[in-house]
Amino acid sequence: KNEVEQSPQNLTAQEGEFITINCSYSVGISALHWLQQHPGGGIVSLFMLSSGKKKHGRLIATINIQEKHSSLHITASHPRDSAVYICAVRFGNQFYFGTGTSLTVIP
Amino acid sequence: KAGVTQTPRYLIKTRGQQVTLSCSPISGHRSVSWYQQTPGQGLQFLFEYFSETQRNKGNFPGRFSGRQFSNSRSEMNVSTLELGDSALYLCASSLGQGGPEAFFGQGTRLTVV
Repeated sequence: KNEVEQSPQNLTAQEGEFITINCSYSVGISALHWLQQHPGGGIVSLFMLSSGKKKHGRLIATINIQEKHSSLHITASHPRDSAVYICAVRFGNQFYFGTGTSLTVIP
Repeated sequence: KAGVTQTPRYLIKTRGQQVTLSCSPISGHRSVSWYQQTPGQGLQFLFEYFSETQRNKGNFPGRFSGRQFSNSRSEMNVSTLELGDSALYLCASSLGQGGPEAFFGQGTRLTVV
């Protein structure tokens, strides 16, 4: 049983396309996080959400607490956005991660 | 401002040995959390420390342990290494209660042979 489900697992896009990555979770959470991992392993924390919507540059993250669902959007995608995007949630004292979405943006 | 520093970056150990990994958080951050990433299991939470106290622990055997020092630097130790312990070990630091919202280090790649 996986408390956090991400889709799609893999995504290929043309440069400039609008991209959406989805995350669903099964129980009540205190916060949801979006992480970005580039080849080589380095992880960057993109957003932490407990409600509503956040925007940073071309990245937008939304969360619907009632539906237990979050989305990460990338506008005007660029090859440098190619990475694995991971959704992570905190249930009580535990942290759970999605399996990640591997994004490739082709020039 | 220096980021989160993990040492060493790469490590090769033999089954049965033990290993200690180090994480130096961003200056002023008091919370450090540790994660294991493997191709099969993805990212999994190991434990979280705040002000030298373990606050949370993931579902890992007792061979995995950690500690935090008064300067907030943290170490994790894995004893009696198994092949399945081969992974990328990441730490993250944050001002308050730890979690994925923190700043991550580059990780330590451990290979057990």
